[in-house]
Amino acid sequence: EAQVTQNPRYLITVTGKKLTVTCSQNMNHEYMSWYRQDPGLGLRQIYYSMNVEVTDKGDVPEGYKVSRKEKRNFPLILESPSPNQTSLYFCASSLLGTGALPGHQETQYFGPGTRLLVL
Amino acid sequence: QQQVKQSPQSLIVQKGGISIINCAYENTAFDYFPWYQQFPGKGPALLIAIRPDVSEKKEGRFTISFNKSAKQFSLHIMDSQPGDSATYFCAASSTDQGGKLIFGQGTELSVKP
Repeated sequence: EAQVTQNPRYLITVTGKKLTVTCSQNMNHEYMSWYRQDPGLGLRQIYYSMNVEVTDKGDVPEGYKVSRKEKRNFPLILESPSPNQTSLYFCASSLLGTGALPGHQETQYFGPGTRLLVL
Repeated sequence: QQQVKQSPQSLIVQKGGISIINCAYENTAFDYFPWYQQFPGKGPALLIAIRPDVSEKKEGRFTISFNKSAKQFSLHIMDSQPGDSATYFCAASSTDQGGKLIFGQGTELSVKP
């Protein structure tokens, strides 16, 4: 089954304790992305990756790190979490960046989400 | 200029009614406009999408209306059903920005039986 998986699904941690949220896709997609979802703000992109070893900042990258050593995996790292990073996080993937080719539509597939609470 | 503004924030509709969600954008370079549907506890999933070379796209009970001159697009759900109760996000992207999706703020739709 084609899917994007994230782990853990729920996480409660304390300020300053490093954590990693894993993301894996089995669709051989080049493009992967991390979003955070907050009430009234929609989905905001944190980081994205166009391919292995190629990553770039999204709209809200502060306090986050990512890596793309393998095509299928795109972990999100919070080196020193703070309470303002309490949020619902989604990983997503697509064959290319959505709409990256003229006249071409790419569906972005989302994982089930990771709900993070930083105390 | 990168923003996509979505309204209303929440919407309650009776079963069988029409649900309408609106989005507005400013960046004229946007050339792809998808709508995503998100059920509680799930990730968003593509519902329907449109490119600006057409003014309307229909898939079953879901229709996107697109007004290029007004820089607005909307989602219409005909004969709304309780199973349509979800959060809906509009989004936009442009080819010259590698297809990065810019999402609206989301609309929580509740369809009452």
